[in-house]
Amino acid sequence: EAGVTQSPTHLIKTRGQQATLRCSPISGHTSVYWYQQALGLGLQFLLWYDEGEERNRGNFPPRFSGRQFPNYSSELNVNALELEDSALYLCASSWDRGSDTQYFGPGTRLTVL
Amino acid sequence: GENVEQHPSTLSVQEGDSAVIKCTYSDSASNYFPWYKQELGKGPQLIIDIRSNVGEKKDQRIAVTLNKTAKHFSLHITETQPEDSAVYFCAASNTGDYKLSFGAGTTVTVRA
Repeated sequence: EAGVTQSPTHLIKTRGQQATLRCSPISGHTSVYWYQQALGLGLQFLLWYDEGEERNRGNFPPRFSGRQFPNYSSELNVNALELEDSALYLCASSWDRGSDTQYFGPGTRLTVL
Repeated sequence: GENVEQHPSTLSVQEGDSAVIKCTYSDSASNYFPWYKQELGKGPQLIIDIRSNVGEKKDQRIAVTLNKTAKHFSLHITETQPEDSAVYFCAASNTGDYKLSFGAGTTVTVRA
């Protein structure tokens, strides 16, 4: 069974630009979660999507947004990039409408110059 | 919100010895406690989890214990092997929230 996949692996942007990160959940999983792993800040919850809707949001500004498509894949968009947005962005998926048991993908390394 | 503290931040053990990592949490409503292993360049891998209605869970060489009264839980790795070298994260959440709050991580090095 394929795990959670994310693309691209690496992304380099400049300050002020927009970044789009993509995630495909494990087959059969309907919930997608996004986390940010920044150096020195650990893993922080960003967003949870289920059945195409945003269900929960962490303490991040509105320029972090996303969506979930009918096939349950998801996009994370980060607008007006700032240097401190440089981090590993991890996507996780779970069964049903939200579940604590979350399985992570390999992440997208975003570097903002 | 939930605050999870993890100790130690680094741990070096001799191959074959045991390793213990401890975490404390602040929110008494938390009822799910997973542990993840993250190797260099990879995403976190779920290795074991425990729910608040269980005090201990074991899976081969790894075990997790939970003390709800003291609000702490621990990961135990026995007979450590070089492939156990990685960063380990504890986390906590409560059902309905589905937001994992993570500890800061423990870098485990197993010396051959």
